[in-house]
Amino acid sequence: DADVTQTPRNRITKTGKRIMLECSQTKGHDRMYWYRQDPGLGLQLIYYSFDVKDINKGEISDGYSVSRQAQAKFSLSLESAIPNQTALYFCATSGPYQPQHFGDGTRLSIL
Amino acid sequence: KQEVTQIPAALSVPEGENLVLNCSFTDSAIYNLQWFRQDPGKGLTSLLLIQSSQREQTSGRLNASLDKSSGRSTLYIAASQPGDSATYLCAVRPRGYNTDKLIFGTGTRLQVFP
Repeated sequence: DADVTQTPRNRITKTGKRIMLECSQTKGHDRMYWYRQDPGLGLQLIYYSFDVKDINKGEISDGYSVSRQAQAKFSLSLESAIPNQTALYFCATSGPYQPQHFGDGTRLSIL
Repeated sequence: KQEVTQIPAALSVPEGENLVLNCSFTDSAIYNLQWFRQDPGKGLTSLLLIQSSQREQTSGRLNASLDKSSGRSTLYIAASQPGDSATYLCAVRPRGYNTDKLIFGTGTRLQVFP
């Protein structure tokens, strides 16, 4: 089983819909992250969480929200999806000052 | 503002060649630098992490160096193989943030042909 699992792997939806991307990890790490990847732009940090009660905005948090339901679960929501949120989304986890471990990503298309 | 650049954007080499991927960053105030590999349809796999106090790290055929003062890192791949074909990303963790925030380059897409 993968250390970091993202669901769904692919999603196509319409503008204005609410979408939730889910992430779970089995590494026992406190720190979890959500990134988006766009062609030619690298990865950008959306939100990060140091523990269940500590959630912080990243570089591009507008239009997104997150929920840390448990140490192992961190979900990302798009309250009202728009086409420029079409991207590849990654969840990651790490221990303090340790390498980040990534899931396989969710490919999201918004029509 | 920290910016990370990777050159070249794409590279195609025959199997067996030794090759170097380059990463440069604009602000030397970093905690560490990390090299990742990304396969199509997959997430990122951490290859090497170099702390700011270190000069290099090695893992198998991979060697990463760090020259913090000049804002450069290189990833050296010895005796390349077709299985090394992937996109390679570098990322720095800047100082001054209360986070494990990483700033990524846009990657080098490597193809190794038989």
